[in-house]
Amino acid sequence: QKEVEQNSGPLSVPEGAIASLNCTYSDRGSQSFFWYRQYSGKSPELIMSIYSNGDKEDGRFTAQLNKASQYVSLLIRDSQPSDSATYLCAPSDQAGTALIFGKGTTLSVSS
Amino acid sequence: GAVVSQHPSWVICKSGTSVKIECRSLDFQATTMFWYRQFPKQSLMLMATSNEGSKATYEQGVEKDKFLINHASLTLSTLTVTSAHPEDSSFYICSARDASGGIETQYFGPGTRLLVL
Repeated sequence: QKEVEQNSGPLSVPEGAIASLNCTYSDRGSQSFFWYRQYSGKSPELIMSIYSNGDKEDGRFTAQLNKASQYVSLLIRDSQPSDSATYLCAPSDQAGTALIFGKGTTLSVSS
Repeated sequence: GAVVSQHPSWVICKSGTSVKIECRSLDFQATTMFWYRQFPKQSLMLMATSNEGSKATYEQGVEKDKFLINHASLTLSTLTVTSAHPEDSSFYICSARDASGGIETQYFGPGTRLLVL
């Protein structure tokens, strides 16, 4: 069974700190990896995608991928209270047609 | 960016009635759309995969005769909850797969809250 593991949290960080969100996945065939942000009561919003090993930066967000370790992470620099949400890790399935969602990590940024 | 809409955003209905939810990809064509359900404080649960022009694929435990899915065009999929009951009250979210950029990416609609009285 394909699984995606995330620490449910809550992960609490002070405003301005770096938040580090981690995810491991079981399907070695996954080729695409996505991070979604879901505010309470809202639908998920795509914030980052990564396909190759290494780092990918977009503004305050950095995604890191290590396929050998089946590990993907998301770093949020200069965390803001508006970053408080649940972050969902979603590798694609081997066919690349569907996403396998983790249960999400709840991030709380205090001002 | 890719935009997915859902209609309606809120539905309140009586037990036993049927409710139709529409999911549209506004600026791209989506051969595949997905329907999820999310109960309060729980994770997303994939209900079914909707493919344009063919029958939907349902996840284990999801009743296909209760949750009717139609994907009649490349921009529209509908989910009909038939004979809705209070336990069907949930947040229903669709997503559409955009492959136009070479990498397939899923974009979510804003969701539909269903309350069955």
